[in-house]
Amino acid sequence: EADIYQTPRYLVIGTGKKITLECSQTMGHDKMYWYQQDPGMELHLIHYSYGVNSTEKGDLSSESTVSRIRTEHFPLTLESARPSHTSQYLCASSGLTPGDSSYNEQFFGPGTRLTVL
Amino acid sequence: QKEVEQNSGPLSVPEGAIASLNCTYSDRVSQSFFWYRQYSGKSPELIMSIYSNGDKEDGRFTAQLNKASQYVSLLIRDSQPSDSATYLCAVDSSYKLIFGSGTRLLVRP
Repeated sequence: EADIYQTPRYLVIGTGKKITLECSQTMGHDKMYWYQQDPGMELHLIHYSYGVNSTEKGDLSSESTVSRIRTEHFPLTLESARPSHTSQYLCASSGLTPGDSSYNEQFFGPGTRLTVL
Repeated sequence: QKEVEQNSGPLSVPEGAIASLNCTYSDRVSQSFFWYRQYSGKSPELIMSIYSNGDKEDGRFTAQLNKASQYVSLLIRDSQPSDSATYLCAVDSSYKLIFGSGTRLLVRP
């Protein structure tokens, strides 16, 4: 079944630890995105990718990094977690058929809720 | 001025009424417009896409687009308590989406 997956769903970790949030999609999409969202607040785009070996920083400055080695996989890494990184991280994908009007429809994964103590 | 503007609400309507949610955008070259529903603590869910001027209906939902006025709206007919959520308007910009801050809808039983 075509879907978008995120692991872990919840993560509680201590300050200074390195973490990787996983995102995979079986939608056949070209483009993938990472958003950060605090409870009751706006979505903020932090990274995006148009395809393999393509990564761009989003509108919100983030200390995280991403990679896109495989089309279906877009992990996000924090080298040294801090309490200010506590948030919900949402992965999304879009872009099945270039030129089709639905090319920009984004579908979201279930999210990872990160708490840094 | 934000690129995508929505009234934050809350918009409170009684069960069975029509809820009307509005959105304005600033980028005249945008071609794709979306409405997402987000329940508290959950991820956004795409409920409507609209690409041309006029109305598009899907069940109890109707999306309306007016490119000349740079205005998108979402009507929810026969509102149910389960429709209580935050509704996000999104507009395409260079293969990304610009999201509004969302309108919180409360449907009173």
